Amino acid sequence: DAGITQSPRHKVTETGTPVTLRCHQTENHRYMYWYRQDPGHGLRLIHYSYGVKDTDKGEVSDGYSVSRSKTEDFLLTLESATSSQTSVYFCATEVDRVGNEQYFGPGTRLTVT
Amino acid sequence: TQLLEQSPQFLSIQEGENLTVYCNSSSVFSSLQWYRQEPGEGPVLLVTVVTGGEVKKLKRLTFQFGDARKDSSLHITAAQPGDTGLYLCAGEGGGGAGSYQLTFGKGTKLSVIP
Repeated sequence: DAGITQSPRHKVTETGTPVTLRCHQTENHRYMYWYRQDPGHGLRLIHYSYGVKDTDKGEVSDGYSVSRSKTEDFLLTLESATSSQTSVYFCATEVDRVGNEQYFGPGTRLTVT
Repeated sequence: TQLLEQSPQFLSIQEGENLTVYCNSSSVFSSLQWYRQEPGEGPVLLVTVVTGGEVKKLKRLTFQFGDARKDSSLHITAAQPGDTGLYLCAGEGGGGAGSYQLTFGKGTKLSVIP
């Protein structure tokens, strides 16, 4: 299994505050992804990265930004959290395009009140 | 947007029974993966199927990719309580920008009762 950690694991924040979630991997995988998982919607891609400082938007990117300054770290920022961003957030990594097999972190449960 | 429809959404069965979970789409995928997710954890990859008609077995789990690469099934023989979890299918490809990204189905929540 890829060594993927996410921090924090749980967070409660108020509407309008900025929030940053961190994903750290020890496997030197090139690709990294941020998903959110909500009942009735499944896993939806927020942003992804295909290398250091190379990122792109996914299906539900509005209200989120990302940064990747090092191979091992991928940060997801909610500039001004809203209640609709209450969700469980998962980070995933992928070695390369072959097989497209992704390895997921344990998730961060975010509640915006 | 490519859609993957999973059925059933929920399944509750007795230990020892067999079951099949389906994953269907109108899009063609270059590969399809199955993941299992337990409460409070991230999804874990079970298998990847790539060739139309391909069948893969993982102990009591049998995975099949449709001939046209638009659908897949997961069959569990003699289900055990340890099989309980959320089963997700995910397809890669299907054409269009960013088509190498994975599209996930909403999942099938399986409960195996001892």
